[in-house]
Amino acid sequence: SQQGEEDPQALSIQEGENATMNCSYKTSINNLQWYRQNSGRGLVHLILIRSNEREKHSGRLRVTLDTSKKSSSLLITASRAADTASYFCATDIAGKSTFGDGTTLTVKP
Amino acid sequence: NAGVTQTPKFQVLKTGQSMTLQCAQDMNHEYMSWYRQDPGMGLRLIHYSVGAGITDQGEVPNGYNVSRSTTEDFPLRLLSAAPSQTSVYFCASSYSIGGEAEQFFGPGTRLTVL
Repeated sequence: SQQGEEDPQALSIQEGENATMNCSYKTSINNLQWYRQNSGRGLVHLILIRSNEREKHSGRLRVTLDTSKKSSSLLITASRAADTASYFCATDIAGKSTFGDGTTLTVKP
Repeated sequence: NAGVTQTPKFQVLKTGQSMTLQCAQDMNHEYMSWYRQDPGMGLRLIHYSVGAGITDQGEVPNGYNVSRSTTEDFPLRLLSAAPSQTSVYFCASSYSIGGEAEQFFGPGTRLTVL
């Protein structure tokens, strides 16, 4: 079974709006990562947050981590059409990365 | 730096055929891994390696073999292709084990098994 599960499966917003996607996981983790995948391409790393961190920012991205609830969220502010992609969270169990099924974000111009 | 390269980009096989998917990285990363991605799903780990000469199984290893004779190369072999192996295959590398550092992904190989 998947360690990380993203919610929602799909999200459609207008350009300029904020997009929030969530990731839940089942076991204790050392860190959690978010990746983006444009259609037909490989994954690109966005941000890594460690278990002792609660929030992390990178440009228009804000990631939170709540280890008590075993959940993380990715917020993309002031979205752009170029943000249209699938977003995945990944967790690590004994050195093996496990990915969720992703959230597909569509940003309409 | 070319990063992570994969060949071929597309491949069509008949059931029972064998083939090797190539993966190479020029970042001197110790950790390399192979994933498959089925439509609408996330990546599932097939095999990984923490250094030359060391490989281990991931979540879905059956039907696949790997070897790591050099730091740069990590080929994935399909022994006897089956339609269930139709998927997109991604190779990734990292300077540390899977979750401790970002992984760099190749562009993928789209495999169809008829």
